[in-house]
Amino acid sequence: SAVISQKPSRDICQRGTSLTIQCQVDSQVTMMFWYRQQPGQSLTLIATANQGSEATYESGFVIDKFPISRPNLTFSTLTVSNMSPEDSSIYLCSVPNTGLPEAFFGQGTRLTVV
Amino acid sequence: AQSVTQPDIHITVSEGASLELRCNYSYGATPYLFWYVQSPGQGLQLLLKYFSGDTLVQGIKGFEAEFKRSQSSFNLRKPSVHWSDAAEYFCAASASTGNQFYFGTGTSLTVIP
Repeated sequence: SAVISQKPSRDICQRGTSLTIQCQVDSQVTMMFWYRQQPGQSLTLIATANQGSEATYESGFVIDKFPISRPNLTFSTLTVSNMSPEDSSIYLCSVPNTGLPEAFFGQGTRLTVV
Repeated sequence: AQSVTQPDIHITVSEGASLELRCNYSYGATPYLFWYVQSPGQGLQLLLKYFSGDTLVQGIKGFEAEFKRSQSSFNLRKPSVHWSDAAEYFCAASASTGNQFYFGTGTSLTVIP
């Protein structure tokens, strides 16, 4: 199984600022996924980050708002830009289990925008 | 379009009672199915998964789930609930290896003494 470390675990930010969330995996993975979990709701995929290429964003999410970096096979960052209170959510990164359909999830970053 | 539905937003059970959490999916073909649990302040932990074969799958912490193709369901069960089972439970589906997951809206479980 993969061990995923996310930083920060939580943060309170002022509106209009940006926050970068880091995701570190203890093994090399081709694909990493970023999800958002709004209060009281389920997880929604933001984007898929492949090493060496641009991230692929889901409908409703854009690169200017959620820029993603994927500099190597064990690390990715998600930035939440120009934040508003509507961005208050838990953000989780996820990696697939190699060769299997299941996935592992980080513990999430709980973001509150005030 | 692919979707996963969890009809029950919140369930309360007494400790020691049995539990069943419902999950229905809508997919073009039979997807891979999962149940995850999220305890307060924690990430998602995989309880069990269904890929193919035996439709009754066993998971960790005494949970099991049954896949019923005719009903497009994958309900989670536990014969005797413990107070530590109080958490948010998510049903999820994936079309293939390495693909994105589609999650249900979650069921919040409260266990009363």
